[in-house]
Amino acid sequence: GDSVTQMEGPVTLSEEAFLTINCTYTATGYPSLFWYVQYPGEGLQLLLKATKADDKGSNKGFEATYRKETTSFHLEKGSVQVSDSAVYFCALHNAGNNRKLIWGLGTSLAVNP
Amino acid sequence: EAQVTQNPRYLITVTGKKLTVTCSQNMNHEYMSWYRQDPGLGLRQIYYSMNVEVTDKGDVPEGYKVSRKEKRNFPLILESPSPNQTSLYFCASSGLAGRGVYNEQFFGPGTRLTVL
Repeated sequence: GDSVTQMEGPVTLSEEAFLTINCTYTATGYPSLFWYVQYPGEGLQLLLKATKADDKGSNKGFEATYRKETTSFHLEKGSVQVSDSAVYFCALHNAGNNRKLIWGLGTSLAVNP
Repeated sequence: EAQVTQNPRYLITVTGKKLTVTCSQNMNHEYMSWYRQDPGLGLRQIYYSMNVEVTDKGDVPEGYKVSRKEKRNFPLILESPSPNQTSLYFCASSGLAGRGVYNEQFFGPGTRLTVL
């Protein structure tokens, strides 16, 4: 079945450092891919998405490119801020899955000033 | 403001005492879902609903019930809670688009449940 694998955390960075959180997937067909973010004490919210190969999703300085050849959707940000400290979830949706998202386990990011 | 609300936000209870966690959305969404979040296990879907009076099991439905009598509400019921249901619970909703098209899921703030 479909699955998502994220790099394990926690990830600790200094402010203004470069961030990469790896995400790879296994799926049949052509899934849509997502990054959700969960700030402390809050629910998840959509950060960015890509619906077809080579699409780049971007939001709040974060980017991720849908790479079908490597089945990856790595999250990147050039210069992180303390306010980016959160848990990041990679997820996929495959057509016909009744809206169901397949989730990665989440990667915790802590950014120190 | 478009939102998904959950109540209560925190709950401590004892084994066997029936409880209900409410979920309500004001976006007229057809789809609603319940997840539980546990360390090392990520998010797991408990139940979902495609529309009023239409519900179905997710990955971990045992010990839970749901109902969808109104479009805006999707309560989660634990008839006889047990300690292994101690978890962080999230409700989510989304609109339905065309076949195979995914609409963003909007999440509630979460309910932290402890069963002693």
